[in-house]
Amino acid sequence: KAGVTQTPRYLIKTRGQQVTLSCSPISGHRSVSWYQQTPGQGLQFLFEYFSETQRNKGNFPGRFSGRQFSNSRSEMNVSTLELGDSALYLCASSLSSTSVNTGELFFGEGSRLTVL
Amino acid sequence: QQQVKQSPQSLIVQKGGISIINCAYENTAFDYFPWYQQFPGKGPALLIAIRPDVSEKKEGRFTISFNKSAKQFSLHIMDSQPGDSATYFCAASKGGNEKLTFGTGTRLTIIP
Repeated sequence: KAGVTQTPRYLIKTRGQQVTLSCSPISGHRSVSWYQQTPGQGLQFLFEYFSETQRNKGNFPGRFSGRQFSNSRSEMNVSTLELGDSALYLCASSLSSTSVNTGELFFGEGSRLTVL
Repeated sequence: QQQVKQSPQSLIVQKGGISIINCAYENTAFDYFPWYQQFPGKGPALLIAIRPDVSEKKEGRFTISFNKSAKQFSLHIMDSQPGDSATYFCAASKGGNEKLTFGTGTRLTIIP
């Protein structure tokens, strides 16, 4: 069974640009979450999607957005990039339905974004 | 406001020894407490998890101890091996919510 796949793995952008990151969850997983990992702040929750709907949202500015497609694949977008957005962006999928929640997240290897 | 506090930040343990990492939480609504292990260049992977209806859970060399009244939980790694060298994160969530609140992580190094 293939794991969570994130693309691209590495990217470099300059301030003011925007970036789109992609995540393909494990087959059959309908929930996709995004986390930002930095040395200073650790792992911080961005948002979670289930059946194409944003179900939860963290405390990040509106420059951070996401969406989920009908095949459960997800994308996140960061507009007007700032130096502080440099981080590892992790996507996680889970076998989550509206009535049963295993609580286990399966993480991808992340997309490392560097903003210059 | 940091809702899950983790200590120590780094830990060095002799091979064969016991590694202990502690976490404390503030939100009494949390009802799921997992530990994740992360190797360099990889995403975190679930190691072991516990719910508040039990005080201890053991899986192989890994044990979670949970103290509901103190709002604390800890990870014990018995017979620590060099392959256990990684960063460990505790986390918590509530009500079947997929949002995990993570601790700040502990970099564990097992020396021969």
